[in-house]
Amino acid sequence: NAGVTQTPKFQVLKTGQSMTLQCAQDMNHNSMYWYRQDPGMGLRLIYYSASEGTTDKGEVPNGYNVSRLNKREFSLRLESAAPSQTSVYFCASSPVRGVVGNTIYFGEGSWLTVV
Amino acid sequence: DQQVKQNSPSLSVQEGRISILNCDYTNSMFDYFLWYKKYPAEGPTFLISISSIKDKNEDGRFTVFLNKSAKHLSLHIVPSQPGDSAVYFCAASSSGGGADGLTFGKGTHLIIQP
Repeated sequence: NAGVTQTPKFQVLKTGQSMTLQCAQDMNHNSMYWYRQDPGMGLRLIYYSASEGTTDKGEVPNGYNVSRLNKREFSLRLESAAPSQTSVYFCASSPVRGVVGNTIYFGEGSWLTVV
Repeated sequence: DQQVKQNSPSLSVQEGRISILNCDYTNSMFDYFLWYKKYPAEGPTFLISISSIKDKNEDGRFTVFLNKSAKHLSLHIVPSQPGDSAVYFCAASSSGGGADGLTFGKGTHLIIQP
């Protein structure tokens, strides 16, 4: 049972390069999310998609774009990477949005370093 | 402004004893609270949750207590085991919409000593 799968697991980028983090879930969840985790900062929401065809900004969206390709897949793109985007990125999904009892399930993380 | 606060970055507890992790929140709209556990190099995994209509929820060795008037919740682990050593995140959500997903605290690193 794969759950939430994200690729790549590790990536080193040069400043100004672009890249896309891929995420797929096999739980038939409606909502998907991208978080970043920085030391001492907890998890912060970058973008989310409440359902297929919709995306919305979270707490820290600057420098990122997202695409909800279909119900299963939600990608995160860095158009021009900056050292401040060095972080661990987590994709997550949940059955529904904004409902009491909603539990979010996370992928294993993608470690991104921008030099 | 942090809406979910975990004021203890780390906590050390002896094996077999009780671990108590604390969390405070400021947003009155939060009505669902969760605890996640995270091992190094892995994603957070759901541990236990509580709705604001309850003040206690128990699952095996894990119990979460909610004090709505104080905007405070705590996670109790009894007895603590070596495998409990991890970072624990408190998270909260509101069913009324707004910024979606969960709002997380910064985490508490629990270390269980043998």
